[in-house]
Amino acid sequence: QVQLVQSGAEVKKPGASVKVSCKASGYTFTSYGISWVRQAPGQGLEWMGWISAYNGNTNYAQKLQGRVTMTTDTSTSTAYMELRSLRSDDTAVYYCARAGYGDYACDYWGQGTLVTVSS
Amino acid sequence: SYELTQPPSVSVSPGQTARITCSGDALPKKYAYWYQQKSGQAPVLVIYEDSKRPSGIPERFSGSSSGTMATLTISGAQVEDEADYYCYSTDSSGNPPFGGGTKLTVL
Repeated sequence: QVQLVQSGAEVKKPGASVKVSCKASGYTFTSYGISWVRQAPGQGLEWMGWISAYNGNTNYAQKLQGRVTMTTDTSTSTAYMELRSLRSDDTAVYYCARAGYGDYACDYWGQGTLVTVSS
Repeated sequence: SYELTQPPSVSVSPGQTARITCSGDALPKKYAYWYQQKSGQAPVLVIYEDSKRPSGIPERFSGSSSGTMATLTISGAQVEDEADYYCYSTDSSGNPPFGGGTKLTVL
């Protein structure tokens, strides 16, 4: 069965960076892209970007351009999302999800990783 | 930037039909997807490509799209269907939004 298992919760100070991992299993990793979505406390879902696990092509949300980098390691079927220059409004649960459909739409989701940005 | 608009809340009694709408200018040309998110859990896909239901999703969940509006219908809503529902789509800009979410109350 398809599973996406994410790394554990993080607490960071403003200005720091965070890197969240997402290990995929149960399917051919390079056949699908990975989308990243975040959700601030009590708020809705926000699409952050997408990476092709086949060739590493990316598409980032305009508001995060320059602060976010998505990568993959095909040898371990793991995707990574790094967010830099963290601010308090980056506090959120970060999800990875398999992009199983066109336009980066997701079918299977990870369990989420809480990132707290606080001084 | 492209926006998808949903009603903030919908309320029905158990066994009634719940309809949640999602409006967006590009929906005539783009598929809509629907996600269910229960409190403290990751989202779950309930409808893809406007009207298709993933395996394991109850038949009471259905989707449709006409013009600039997509609709998620839950026929005979159950108490366990109480959740936040989000639509998802995109336009040609390549930065897809989620709708703002609709809180479904079944009581």
